[in-house]
Amino acid sequence: RKEVEQDPGPFNVPEGATVAFNCTYSNSASQSFFWYRQDCRKEPKLLMSVYSSGNEDGRFTAQLNRASQYISLLIRDSKLSDSATYLCVVSYLPRDDKIIFGKGTRLHILP
Amino acid sequence: DAEITQSPRHKITETGRQVTLACHQTWNHNNMFWYRQDLGHGLRLIHYSYGVQDTNKGEVSDGYSVSRSNTEDLPLTLESAASSQTSVYFCASSESTGDYEQYFGPGTRLTVT
Repeated sequence: RKEVEQDPGPFNVPEGATVAFNCTYSNSASQSFFWYRQDCRKEPKLLMSVYSSGNEDGRFTAQLNRASQYISLLIRDSKLSDSATYLCVVSYLPRDDKIIFGKGTRLHILP
Repeated sequence: DAEITQSPRHKITETGRQVTLACHQTWNHNNMFWYRQDLGHGLRLIHYSYGVQDTNKGEVSDGYSVSRSNTEDLPLTLESAASSQTSVYFCASSESTGDYEQYFGPGTRLTVT
């Protein structure tokens, strides 16, 4: 099993819809979790950290499920500008010097 | 505003040449990282540093080296460029406390011919 796995997509979603995707990880020693978005040929940009209690930032909600070893991202009322690749990141810092990036899930918001 | 910059943004070099990619951050972060990104792979960690004079090897460090002489800069050197090192290189920095959220530079697209 890969350390971090994401459905590569693409997810083609009409504007205004809600979309959700998951990321699974295999090592329970992981310390921190993040979602990044990456636009074509650009640098990854931090979207949000992910906590067990769940966290929300506007239309975005992230959730961590340590028991089942997955994190999720929910996007409500999707906008055309949400079209991007979403990267799941699992960090083992500071206990272990390892940061694992998923290969990303491509999202296309359709007008 | 604090930022992280990389130079050059694009570079074409020949096999066997030494190449240095620059990374400069004004966040005053202790932690700095170098990644490469290739089709079919996620970002892969090359080298990282937790502070001045500290450097560590990542997952794909062969053929690369870094040095950290100050807080702001972590240059990445390809000792003898190979075609397999054609890639997009991203530098990142993070705080040394909290969640270690990383902030990325704009990337350098390197082509080795």
